[in-house]
Amino acid sequence: TQLLEQSPQFLSIQEGENLTVYCNSSSVFSSLQWYRQEPGEGPVLLVTVVTGGEVKKLKRLTFQFGDARKDSSLHITAAQPGDTGLYLCAGARGFQKLVFGTGTRLLVSP
Amino acid sequence: NAGVTQTPKFQVLKTGQSMTLQCAQDMNHNSMYWYRQDPGMGLRLIYYSASEGTTDKGEVPNGYNVSRLNKREFSLRLESAAPSQTSVYFCASSLSNEQFFGPGTRLTVL
Repeated sequence: TQLLEQSPQFLSIQEGENLTVYCNSSSVFSSLQWYRQEPGEGPVLLVTVVTGGEVKKLKRLTFQFGDARKDSSLHITAAQPGDTGLYLCAGARGFQKLVFGTGTRLLVSP
Repeated sequence: NAGVTQTPKFQVLKTGQSMTLQCAQDMNHNSMYWYRQDPGMGLRLIYYSASEGTTDKGEVPNGYNVSRLNKREFSLRLESAAPSQTSVYFCASSLSNEQFFGPGTRLTVL
């Protein structure tokens, strides 16, 4: 059962463009995380959001947790080729257990 | 610190063969996890171990067994491999909700 749906699945853009990735669920999570995964490697944590409505910024990346703690978004401003990768959201359920989203594969071309 | 290490990196099995995937972490984390990653499905939890000596089923445990040998090591065993188990397998560990991942094992079952 996939509890977290991400959209879009694939995104191919030019350097300098802006983009938003969405992570949606019908379930409430105590916190939500975003990971980035590069080819041949495991996912690496970017950010954790905990409070409904919370917004966190990491350089050109802006993360928002929905007011009801069921959804989240990741916005990238002026994307660069180094942003290329697979972006995964993950919701915390229970003690130290995560449910991962379906993933968004981003390709940023020079 | 090596973080989370996994062996082997690649493996090809024939249907019905058995094998054990090894995972070790040197961060003194209590919790360890095994996931499989398939295209369009994100990461799905196979088994996890909240502490040394305990293991619990995740979302997709059928066809797998695990052993938490000590605090550092958590192995995943396929007793009789099936083509449906072709996937990339990731081990992870955590102290809180942030999970640290190994580089993965790419398994093909023919």
